[in-house]
Amino acid sequence: AQSVTQLGSHVSVSEGALVLLRCNYSSSVPPYLFWYVQYPNQGLQLLLKYTSAATLVKGINGFEAEFKKSETSFHLTKPSAHMSDAAEYFCAVSLLHKAAGNKLTFGGGTRVLVKP
Amino acid sequence: EAGVTQFPSHSVIEKGQTVTLRCDPISGHDNLYWYRRVMGKEIKFLLHFVKESKQDESGMPNNRFLAERTGGTYSTLKVQPAELEDSGVYFCASSQEGFLSIQETQYFGPGTRLLVL
Repeated sequence: AQSVTQLGSHVSVSEGALVLLRCNYSSSVPPYLFWYVQYPNQGLQLLLKYTSAATLVKGINGFEAEFKKSETSFHLTKPSAHMSDAAEYFCAVSLLHKAAGNKLTFGGGTRVLVKP
Repeated sequence: EAGVTQFPSHSVIEKGQTVTLRCDPISGHDNLYWYRRVMGKEIKFLLHFVKESKQDESGMPNNRFLAERTGGTYSTLKVQPAELEDSGVYFCASSQEGFLSIQETQYFGPGTRLLVL
């Protein structure tokens, strides 16, 4: 079975400061990892995904994440926060094997507040 | 191209009533997923359709939930009778890649917010 833990349900950052959202996973097989973002009144939008190619993955809106197998982590970063980054962020894992299918397993989400 | 749409956006019903949620996937997407987020908890998988067939329904909580996808286009999720613990946000997602494809990206709708009183 797989699981995802996001440290911090709420994060507050100042505009222009580093955004760091933490995600740790557990999985019995090599995982595929995702970060999604949900803006108010919208659906979840894919930010980036790791599919066993490069361990540093670049996504949309200046976000990137690094897969670290030894730490079972997939933390999301953005060098400089913008007011438009205020949203809820979800880390998710998919195992893509016969028993698990295609389903995504999500962490609890981290709501980001950006202060001017 | 239209995204995944869900109807209604909000629903408030009383315990014991029936509610039907609808999801229209992106045109041409064979895969359709239902997920649910109960307040304060993580988003959890309910089931996965490939066209009109249920590929995986391991996340369906009990037999009060019935999902259908007749004709392989839109899907409905019926809750009958609704209980208080069914309150939450129900998300639908769709994708076009094949089963177990690493290229798959699931596109999510805005969700239906269900409140059972």
